[in-house]
Amino acid sequence: DSGVTQTPKHLITATGQRVTLRCSPRSGDLSVYWYQQSLDQGLQFLIQYYNGEERAKGNILERFSAQQFPDLHSELNLSSLELGDSALYFCASSVGESGGAEETQYFGPGTRLLVL
Amino acid sequence: GEDVEQSLFLSVREGDSSVINCTYTDSSSTYLYWYKQEPGAGLQLLTYIFSNMDMKQDQRLTVLLNKKDKHLSLRIADTQTGDSAIYFCAESPLNTGKLIFGQGTTLQVKP
Repeated sequence: DSGVTQTPKHLITATGQRVTLRCSPRSGDLSVYWYQQSLDQGLQFLIQYYNGEERAKGNILERFSAQQFPDLHSELNLSSLELGDSALYFCASSVGESGGAEETQYFGPGTRLLVL
Repeated sequence: GEDVEQSLFLSVREGDSSVINCTYTDSSSTYLYWYKQEPGAGLQLLTYIFSNMDMKQDQRLTVLLNKKDKHLSLRIADTQTGDSAIYFCAESPLNTGKLIFGQGTTLQVKP
């Protein structure tokens, strides 16, 4: 158990809908990262928050947004869902903000999203 | 650019050694990582190596780094059926928090 929790575990929804994925980082970690794992794109970095502020952005679509709250949990919002958004969404957390072994990322179990 | 390449599949017999290879492109990456993903599960950090090291050993795991060729390998000694999983190599470009992952190598261990 990495200490990172994600809810829900599974989500099934229809095209055009909006969903929210939730992540609670390990105790003491200030950074939260979101990754998408799909068959065609592999594991891709989406976005990073550090202590409530956006720190880095990857291949995140404009239909997707995220935020980190004062209690450090994070939510990833996916809207106008398309079939191609079906994927496993991982959250990871680390102590610091800019990488390195002492800021190793620990991953949650993921949320599996299926868009029908 | 940022790109990490791995072979997609490796099959070994139980008790043999497994070697999973990876190449990366970003020379600024100061740390390189190996993660393991079992079916239906999240990513588990296996080990990492600092870029000024050539080798790191951790029980059955040995990581070799050739910085000149930007080549990383993970050797698993005495491979067991429980080692069957997908193994991801990842680089962490300097001063960024993100991880750039390879496509993952599926390791199949035959009894």
